Amino acid sequence: ETGVTQSPTHLIKTRGQQVTLRCSSQSGHNTVSWYQQALGQGPQFIFQYYREEENGRGNFPPRFSGLQFPNYSSELNVNALELDDSALYLCAASLVGGEQYFGPGTRLTVT
Amino acid sequence: GDSVTQMEGPVTLSEEAFLTINCTYTATGYPSLFWYVQYPGEGLQLLLKATKADDKGSNKGFEATYRKETTSFHLEKGSVQVSDSAVYFCALWDSGNTPLVFGKGTRLSVIA
Repeated sequence: ETGVTQSPTHLIKTRGQQVTLRCSSQSGHNTVSWYQQALGQGPQFIFQYYREEENGRGNFPPRFSGLQFPNYSSELNVNALELDDSALYLCAASLVGGEQYFGPGTRLTVT
Repeated sequence: GDSVTQMEGPVTLSEEAFLTINCTYTATGYPSLFWYVQYPGEGLQLLLKATKADDKGSNKGFEATYRKETTSFHLEKGSVQVSDSAVYFCALWDSGNTPLVFGKGTRLSVIA
Protein backbone atom coordinates (compact mmCIF):
# COMPACT_ATOMS: atom_id res chain seq x y z
CA GLU A 1 0.00 0.00 0.00
CA THR A 2 1.40 3.36 -1.05
CA GLY A 3 -1.20 5.49 0.73
CA VAL A 4 -2.06 7.24 -2.53
CA THR A 5 -5.67 7.03 -3.67
CA GLN A 6 -7.30 8.07 -6.92
CA SER A 7 -10.89 8.54 -7.95
CA PRO A 8 -12.81 7.49 -9.85
CA THR A 9 -11.46 4.06 -10.77
CA HIS A 10 -13.02 4.06 -14.20
CA LEU A 11 -14.67 6.74 -16.28
CA ILE A 12 -16.31 6.86 -19.68
CA LYS A 13 -16.67 10.20 -21.45
CA THR A 14 -17.67 11.42 -24.87
CA ARG A 15 -15.36 13.31 -27.22
CA GLY A 16 -15.49 17.05 -26.52
CA GLN A 17 -16.48 16.67 -22.87
CA GLN A 18 -14.42 17.71 -19.86
CA VAL A 19 -13.18 15.43 -17.06
CA THR A 20 -11.72 15.87 -13.58
CA LEU A 21 -9.61 13.18 -11.94
CA ARG A 22 -8.61 13.27 -8.27
CA CYS A 23 -5.64 12.15 -6.24
CA SER A 24 -4.91 12.22 -2.54
CA SER A 25 -2.05 11.10 -0.34
CA GLN A 26 -2.39 10.07 3.28
CA SER A 27 1.21 10.71 4.19
CA GLY A 28 1.59 14.43 3.59
CA HIS A 29 3.79 14.23 0.54
CA ASN A 30 3.96 17.79 -0.77
CA THR A 31 4.66 17.07 -4.43
CA VAL A 32 2.28 15.39 -6.84
CA SER A 33 3.03 14.28 -10.38
CA TRP A 34 0.56 13.09 -13.02
CA TYR A 35 1.33 10.58 -15.77
CA GLN A 36 -0.63 9.29 -18.74
CA GLN A 37 -0.22 5.63 -19.66
CA ALA A 38 -1.67 4.73 -23.03
CA LEU A 39 -2.41 1.09 -23.72
CA GLY A 40 0.78 -0.89 -24.21
CA GLN A 41 3.01 2.08 -23.42
CA GLY A 42 5.01 3.35 -20.47
CA PRO A 43 3.74 6.26 -18.40
CA GLN A 44 4.34 9.72 -19.86
CA PHE A 45 4.83 12.72 -17.58
CA ILE A 46 2.05 15.32 -17.77
CA PHE A 47 2.99 17.78 -15.01
CA GLN A 48 4.05 18.17 -11.41
CA TYR A 49 2.70 20.37 -8.61
CA TYR A 50 4.54 21.64 -5.56
CA ARG A 51 3.13 24.12 -3.07
CA GLU A 52 0.01 24.49 -5.19
CA GLU A 53 1.94 25.63 -8.26
CA GLU A 54 2.88 23.81 -11.45
CA ASN A 55 6.52 22.86 -11.14
CA GLY A 56 7.28 21.16 -14.43
CA ARG A 57 5.34 20.04 -17.47
CA GLY A 58 5.72 17.41 -20.12
CA ASN A 59 4.70 17.58 -23.76
CA PHE A 60 0.96 17.93 -23.22
CA PRO A 61 -1.33 20.68 -24.54
CA PRO A 62 -2.85 23.38 -22.30
CA ARG A 63 -6.20 21.59 -22.22
CA PHE A 64 -4.52 19.39 -19.63
CA SER A 65 -4.48 21.41 -16.42
CA GLY A 66 -4.21 20.72 -12.75
CA LEU A 67 -4.64 21.93 -9.23
CA GLN A 68 -3.01 21.14 -5.93
CA PHE A 69 -4.78 21.99 -2.69
CA PRO A 70 -3.35 23.00 0.70
CA ASN A 71 -3.80 19.44 1.96
CA TYR A 72 -1.64 18.32 -1.03
CA SER A 73 -4.50 16.55 -2.78
CA SER A 74 -4.66 17.21 -6.50
CA GLU A 75 -6.90 17.29 -9.54
CA LEU A 76 -6.17 16.70 -13.19
CA ASN A 77 -8.57 18.39 -15.59
CA VAL A 78 -8.80 17.62 -19.27
CA ASN A 79 -10.94 19.80 -21.53
CA ALA A 80 -12.22 19.05 -25.02
CA LEU A 81 -11.58 15.34 -24.70
CA GLU A 82 -10.18 13.51 -27.72
CA LEU A 83 -10.24 9.80 -28.47
CA ASP A 84 -6.46 9.64 -27.92
CA ASP A 85 -6.95 10.80 -24.34
CA SER A 86 -8.17 7.30 -23.52
CA ALA A 87 -5.56 5.98 -21.10
CA LEU A 88 -4.73 5.09 -17.53
CA TYR A 89 -3.95 8.24 -15.56
CA LEU A 90 -1.56 7.79 -12.67
CA CYS A 91 -0.69 10.19 -9.92
CA ALA A 92 2.41 9.92 -7.79
CA ALA A 93 3.05 11.62 -4.47
CA SER A 94 6.46 12.43 -3.09
CA LEU A 95 8.50 14.85 -1.07
CA VAL A 96 10.57 17.23 -3.20
CA GLY A 97 13.28 15.22 -4.91
CA GLY A 98 12.16 12.04 -3.20
CA GLU A 99 10.80 8.66 -4.21
CA GLN A 100 7.43 8.73 -5.95
CA TYR A 101 4.56 6.62 -4.64
CA PHE A 102 1.94 5.76 -7.23
CA GLY A 103 -1.79 5.47 -6.88
CA PRO A 104 -3.81 2.71 -8.58
CA GLY A 105 -4.81 4.97 -11.47
CA THR A 106 -7.99 6.10 -13.17
CA ARG A 107 -8.86 4.44 -16.44
CA LEU A 108 -10.46 6.96 -18.80
CA THR A 109 -12.26 5.85 -21.93
CA VAL A 110 -13.28 8.48 -24.47
CA THR A 111 -15.88 7.40 -27.03
CA GLY B 1 16.94 14.11 -23.52
CA ASP B 2 16.88 11.22 -21.11
CA SER B 3 15.46 7.94 -22.38
CA VAL B 4 15.01 4.30 -21.41
CA THR B 5 14.97 1.35 -23.78
CA GLN B 6 13.86 -2.06 -22.64
CA MET B 7 13.40 -5.31 -24.44
CA GLU B 8 10.10 -5.79 -26.14
CA GLY B 9 7.78 -8.48 -24.99
CA PRO B 10 5.85 -10.42 -24.46
CA VAL B 11 8.14 -12.79 -22.62
CA THR B 12 6.67 -16.21 -21.86
CA LEU B 13 8.47 -18.51 -19.44
CA SER B 14 7.74 -21.74 -17.65
CA GLU B 15 7.58 -21.70 -13.88
CA GLU B 16 11.07 -21.88 -12.26
CA ALA B 17 12.79 -20.60 -15.40
CA PHE B 18 15.45 -17.87 -15.27
CA LEU B 19 14.33 -14.38 -16.18
CA THR B 20 16.28 -11.54 -17.75
CA ILE B 21 14.67 -8.33 -18.97
CA ASN B 22 17.16 -5.97 -20.57
CA CYS B 23 17.14 -2.24 -19.92
CA THR B 24 19.52 0.43 -21.17
CA TYR B 25 19.36 4.14 -20.61
CA THR B 26 20.58 7.48 -21.89
CA ALA B 27 20.96 10.33 -19.43
CA THR B 28 22.88 13.58 -19.19
CA GLY B 29 23.56 13.25 -15.47
CA TYR B 30 23.92 10.41 -13.00
CA PRO B 31 20.41 9.08 -12.64
CA SER B 32 18.81 6.77 -10.16
CA LEU B 33 17.38 3.67 -11.80
CA PHE B 34 14.20 1.79 -10.99
CA TRP B 35 12.16 -1.23 -11.90
CA TYR B 36 8.41 -0.94 -11.44
CA VAL B 37 5.88 -3.75 -11.76
CA GLN B 38 2.26 -3.41 -12.85
CA TYR B 39 -0.12 -6.27 -12.18
CA PRO B 40 -3.29 -6.53 -14.29
CA GLY B 41 -5.72 -3.72 -13.54
CA GLU B 42 -3.44 -2.05 -11.02
CA GLY B 43 -1.10 0.92 -10.73
CA LEU B 44 2.68 0.86 -10.50
CA GLN B 45 4.59 -0.70 -7.65
CA LEU B 46 8.26 -0.03 -7.05
CA LEU B 47 10.10 -3.34 -7.32
CA LEU B 48 13.68 -2.23 -6.75
CA LYS B 49 16.04 0.66 -7.26
CA ALA B 50 19.70 1.63 -7.42
CA THR B 51 21.02 5.14 -6.93
CA LYS B 52 24.64 4.94 -8.06
CA ALA B 53 26.98 2.92 -10.23
CA ASP B 54 27.60 -0.69 -9.17
CA ASP B 55 24.69 -0.62 -6.71
CA LYS B 56 22.54 -3.73 -6.76
CA GLY B 57 18.84 -3.39 -6.08
CA SER B 58 16.97 -6.47 -4.93
CA ASN B 59 13.48 -7.41 -3.80
CA LYS B 60 11.30 -10.55 -3.85
CA GLY B 61 14.04 -12.54 -5.58
CA PHE B 62 14.51 -9.95 -8.34
CA GLU B 63 17.86 -8.23 -8.79
CA ALA B 64 19.33 -5.52 -11.02
CA THR B 65 22.81 -3.99 -11.02
CA TYR B 66 23.49 -0.39 -12.07
CA ARG B 67 26.18 -0.67 -14.78
CA LYS B 68 27.46 2.78 -15.71
CA GLU B 69 29.97 1.47 -18.25
CA THR B 70 27.25 -0.21 -20.29
CA THR B 71 24.44 2.19 -19.23
CA SER B 72 22.34 -0.81 -18.29
CA PHE B 73 20.09 -2.01 -15.48
CA HIS B 74 18.94 -5.49 -16.46
CA LEU B 75 16.32 -7.21 -14.31
CA GLU B 76 16.94 -10.84 -13.31
CA LYS B 77 15.25 -13.53 -11.28
CA GLY B 78 16.55 -17.01 -10.82
CA SER B 79 13.24 -18.85 -10.64
CA VAL B 80 10.01 -17.18 -11.74
CA GLN B 81 6.58 -18.03 -10.44
CA VAL B 82 3.14 -17.75 -12.01
CA SER B 83 2.47 -14.86 -9.64
CA ASP B 84 5.30 -12.88 -11.29
CA SER B 85 3.17 -12.47 -14.42
CA ALA B 86 2.90 -8.72 -14.91
CA VAL B 87 4.28 -5.82 -16.93
CA TYR B 88 7.72 -4.60 -15.85
CA PHE B 89 8.89 -1.04 -16.43
CA CYS B 90 12.44 0.24 -16.26
CA ALA B 91 12.70 3.92 -15.32
CA LEU B 92 15.25 6.58 -14.53
CA TRP B 93 15.17 9.73 -12.44
CA ASP B 94 17.84 12.26 -13.16
CA SER B 95 17.64 14.71 -10.27
CA GLY B 96 15.69 17.31 -8.37
CA ASN B 97 12.25 18.00 -9.75
CA THR B 98 12.67 16.11 -13.01
CA PRO B 99 10.06 13.44 -13.63
CA LEU B 100 10.53 9.72 -13.91
CA VAL B 101 11.29 8.59 -17.47
CA PHE B 102 9.89 5.15 -18.27
CA GLY B 103 10.56 2.51 -20.84
CA LYS B 104 7.65 1.04 -22.77
CA GLY B 105 7.31 -1.95 -20.52
CA THR B 106 7.84 -5.69 -20.94
CA ARG B 107 4.96 -8.08 -20.39
CA LEU B 108 5.95 -11.29 -18.64
CA SER B 109 3.72 -14.35 -18.65
CA VAL B 110 4.73 -17.33 -16.53
CA ILE B 111 2.98 -20.60 -17.21
CA ALA B 112 2.74 -23.53 -14.81
